Amino acid sequence: EAGVAQSPRYKIIEKRQSVAFWCNPISGHATLYWYQQILGQGPKLLIQFQNNGVVDDSQLPKDRFSAERLKGVDSTLKIQPAKLEDSAVYLCASSLTSDRYTGELFFGEGSRLTVL
Amino acid sequence: AQSVTQLGSHVSVSEGALVLLRCNYSSSVPPYLFWYVQYPNQGLQLLLKYTTGATLVKGINGFEAEFKKSETSFHLTKPSAHMSDAAEYFCAVTGFGAGRRALTFGSGTRLQVQP
Repeated sequence: EAGVAQSPRYKIIEKRQSVAFWCNPISGHATLYWYQQILGQGPKLLIQFQNNGVVDDSQLPKDRFSAERLKGVDSTLKIQPAKLEDSAVYLCASSLTSDRYTGELFFGEGSRLTVL
Repeated sequence: AQSVTQLGSHVSVSEGALVLLRCNYSSSVPPYLFWYVQYPNQGLQLLLKYTTGATLVKGINGFEAEFKKSETSFHLTKPSAHMSDAAEYFCAVTGFGAGRRALTFGSGTRLQVQP
């Protein structure tokens, strides 16, 4: 079974530029998450989708961050304009949504963003 | 609301010694508890999880954890550390019936294993 795919793995940009990250979840996983992991900290949820609907985006800085999951499969997270404090690893995860739900998330390898 | 506190951002042990990583949680509903491991430049990998049933759960690579409701704890242990255990470990919580809310993670504990 293929895992969660993310790209790009690494990205370096200047502040005020824009960047986009892509995620393809495990086949059949209806729920998709974007987490931000700043160096030395635990992952923090940015947004949670179920199919193509947003379940929770309460911690997403909506003035600069946006995310979509138009067809209920892959997803894109965009930052525009980027700030220095956005330097982090952006982790995508997916999970089952069924009667067998246990809360377990399956993570991709992450996209490391450096803002100069 | 849910939260996780991991005591000790860095833990150092000798190879062959006991590993103990501490995690305390707060949850307004019966918790589901998880330990994930993260190796450098990689995503998070599930070590073990507690949902319901037996409070002592065993995971991969010889790790285990015990859910203690009275202490709101879910500490991770391994009897004998191996060099390959050096990594960052994260405790996480979600709640049964909590609208299938996403996991809330602790700040992590970096485990260093000395030869």
